[in-house]
Amino acid sequence: QVHLVESGGGVVQPGRSLRLSCAASGFIFSSYGMHWVRQAPGKGLEWVAVIWYDGTNKHYADSVKGRFTISRDNSKNTLYLQMNSLRDEDTAVYHCARDGGYDGGDYWGQGTLVTVSS
Amino acid sequence: KFMLTQPHSVSESPGKTVTISCTRNSGSIASNYVQWYQQRPGSAPTTVIYEDNQRPSGVPDRFSGSIDSSSNSASLTISGLKTEDEAHYYCQSYANTNPNWVFGGGTKLTVL
Repeated sequence: QVHLVESGGGVVQPGRSLRLSCAASGFIFSSYGMHWVRQAPGKGLEWVAVIWYDGTNKHYADSVKGRFTISRDNSKNTLYLQMNSLRDEDTAVYHCARDGGYDGGDYWGQGTLVTVSS
Repeated sequence: KFMLTQPHSVSESPGKTVTISCTRNSGSIASNYVQWYQQRPGSAPTTVIYEDNQRPSGVPDRFSGSIDSSSNSASLTISGLKTEDEAHYYCQSYANTNPNWVFGGGTKLTVL
């Protein structure tokens, strides 16, 4: 079955960088667009970024544009999120999600917690 | 850009029926499909409704979705409530501009 497992979260100081990974299994990874969605503590879901199945197109939320980079390695079935110039407000659980092909997602990972704090 | 507004919380008794609304503030609710996600504490979101009213395999038919163009809103209805339905529910639709996925603020369902 479809399995998405995020990793790479942790505690980081403001202004520093972190790279998240999302390991995918149980489906043909190279056939699906993938998203990152985050959830600040006690808050709702916020879309962060999307990458097309072949990596040719990427889009970002205004709140992370210019600081975060989404990428993928289809040979490794892995999605990435490079986060630079981190801010306190980036503190959240970061989930990867598979694009369902119908304006939304169908499978989600458990998430990895990123805490930005001095 | 548009926003999706949900009630902050709803509560109902086991066995009853509850409906959670999701109102779009600009543009037509019918212009893009609406999805509903269930999120239990500490767990990943799971899809309970996609394409306005479709249920993924494994989701019981107690869950149903609809849209209403007159009120420009979508609704998630859960009948025969069970305590295991207690969770946060988020509606979501697609925007052609940023953000790509627009989420409602989420509704906490309490079954008591």
